[in-house]
Amino acid sequence: DADVTQTPRNRITKTGKRIMLECSQTKGHDRMYWYRQDPGLGLRLIYYSFDVKDINKGEISDGYSVSRQAQAKFSLSLESAIPNQTALYFCATSDDRGATKNIQYFGAGTRLSVL
Amino acid sequence: LAKTTQPISMDSYEGQEVNITCSHNNIATNDYITWYQQFPSQGPRFIIQGYKTKVTNEVASLFIPADRKSSTLSLPRVSLSDTAVYYCLVEGDSSYKLIFGSGTRLLVRP
Repeated sequence: DADVTQTPRNRITKTGKRIMLECSQTKGHDRMYWYRQDPGLGLRLIYYSFDVKDINKGEISDGYSVSRQAQAKFSLSLESAIPNQTALYFCATSDDRGATKNIQYFGAGTRLSVL
Repeated sequence: LAKTTQPISMDSYEGQEVNITCSHNNIATNDYITWYQQFPSQGPRFIIQGYKTKVTNEVASLFIPADRKSSTLSLPRVSLSDTAVYYCLVEGDSSYKLIFGSGTRLLVRP
């Protein structure tokens, strides 16, 4: 969804480096999410935020941190990257208003390789 | 926590109707059922959402029995471009773990 922008699209880094993945959205949604996807597997939730002052851990938050700088921006950080964090990372947004409940709109993904 | 179970893969041919069933035995009263489609190296895309009975939109139908412990995504007359992974997601106020599971890999053959 072009309304959800992830940067960078691809990143190669070394073990121990600090990495930040950024997500911005123009949909005006309050809720934002970070997922990771490993080859052949489904998405696993890392962190989610229901508004600027709300941050919640997901299924696999260890080794990650997030920052909700504004309604439109949600960043994911890997404080000290390790090889098993090599994955495809997706940001998503949603809101709980209207007839449809919490439909998520995903960015194009960030492919991260940790060497 | 509502966990879902889907077949790992399905094969079909162009023009056929495809039905993918998802089990969600622990669905809570306030939970909705949402289906997403994902192509390789892209983010999932919303297909359809429902709470009970039947929902239909321009691309699919969703059938939910009275006990809501399962749901079936129906894709009419599939084409090659419907080859993708399909995820069933149960979510609501009581299930904010948002477990996507491994999805169903649908292969449509000519």
